[in-house]
Amino acid sequence: AQKVTQAQTEISVVEKEDVTLDCVYETRDTTYYLFWYKQPPSGELVFLIRRNSFDEQNEISGRYSWNFQKSTSSFNFTITASQVVDSAVYFCALSEPRTYKYIFGTGTRLKVLA
Amino acid sequence: GAVVSQHPSRVICKSGTSVKIECRSLDFQATTMFWYRQFPKKSLMLMATSNEGSKATYEQGVEKDKFLINHASLTLSTLTVTSAHPEDSSFYICSARDQWKNTEAFFGQGTRLTVV
Repeated sequence: AQKVTQAQTEISVVEKEDVTLDCVYETRDTTYYLFWYKQPPSGELVFLIRRNSFDEQNEISGRYSWNFQKSTSSFNFTITASQVVDSAVYFCALSEPRTYKYIFGTGTRLKVLA
Repeated sequence: GAVVSQHPSRVICKSGTSVKIECRSLDFQATTMFWYRQFPKKSLMLMATSNEGSKATYEQGVEKDKFLINHASLTLSTLTVTSAHPEDSSFYICSARDQWKNTEAFFGQGTRLTVV
């Protein structure tokens, strides 16, 4: 069965601190996609990144970076120099390759304090 | 980028009435759309897969007579919550898959349903 685990329910940091959000997944598929989404209080899902299972290169986009390690089935997300606007719930998700159903983790609520 | 529009964004209805939520792909054709439900401070759970021109496929535990899904065109899927009750209050969000791009599905803005 496919599963996504985000063990951190809530994290609070002070502005400008770095923070890493953990994501561990389980799947029997060899081809799959992993995603991170940001959900602000308004509710919409803001797409952050997509990574396919064959691409283990780490990615950096501004203050955001992602570390994908198939050996540990992890896809962690780091925000460098966090800002108050980063406060939101962050979801990691796994997509089934044929159906495109998304399996979401339970989310991590990030609070960045000024 | 691909845009999925969901309407309404918020709705309040009386217990016992039905409410319809629309999910439209604005700039692409979507043979498949998905409906998710999110309880407060919880994760998103897939309710059903909506297939254009055929019956929806419901996840285990989702009442198909309660949550009617219609996908009559390549750009529109609707979710009707029938005989709504307060426990149906939730955030409903749809996603649509671009049939020509096998990479991801695109999410609508979500609908916050409150049944009073």
